[in-house]
Amino acid sequence: ETGVTQTPRHLVMGMTNKKSLKCEQHLGHNAMYWYKQSAKKPLELMFVYSLEERVENNSVPSRFSPECPNSSHLFLHLHTLQPEDSALYLCASSQVLGNEQFFGPGTRLTVL
Amino acid sequence: DQQVKQNSPSLSVQEGRISILNCDYTNSMFDYFLWYKKYPAEGPTFLISISSIKDKNEDGRFTVFLNKSAKHLSLHIVPSQPGDSAVYFCAAIPRGSSYKLIFGSGTRLLVRP
Repeated sequence: ETGVTQTPRHLVMGMTNKKSLKCEQHLGHNAMYWYKQSAKKPLELMFVYSLEERVENNSVPSRFSPECPNSSHLFLHLHTLQPEDSALYLCASSQVLGNEQFFGPGTRLTVL
Repeated sequence: DQQVKQNSPSLSVQEGRISILNCDYTNSMFDYFLWYKKYPAEGPTFLISISSIKDKNEDGRFTVFLNKSAKHLSLHIVPSQPGDSAVYFCAAIPRGSSYKLIFGSGTRLLVRP
């Protein structure tokens, strides 16, 4: 695998479910990011990690919980989501904070 | 209120002609502007950028122009090729933040053969 990978690519969940999105980067980068793209809206930065420490939490509801166990992996844990949380969730990484960001293909999430 | 706006959701251009994608911003405290390109089922990929101290940056077929007085930037692609068909996002980085990308909502470009 090369670049930034995300699994699953598609996810359908009910409002009471708990699920996790996974991101893995194979680039040796030290910073990782979660973005959300709702329909016809711009990408919005959700969380930023640098060297496994969270450096940004952009007023995201607590039903989204990020985890960065090491510099190669980033998770987004989801619980009791709402239908308006349905969106494309994109992960990105960069060599260090501020360098060019490389994006994964995204997870298309649908909350029923 | 969106700080970075792409007012044209779509653009269709004949192959070989020029494509011009536009972006307006409201915050004069942006230090850097970037264009990303996104194909279906793939993540956005960086295309070209420009510092706020410049008014033009060129890379092959791609040129970005920045008009600070109008708070406007544009991406020119010439000549356009069918492989350029994608969604193009404009993004800006605020002063004092090296990593916060503020995106526009994108413009879908279709280059007709």
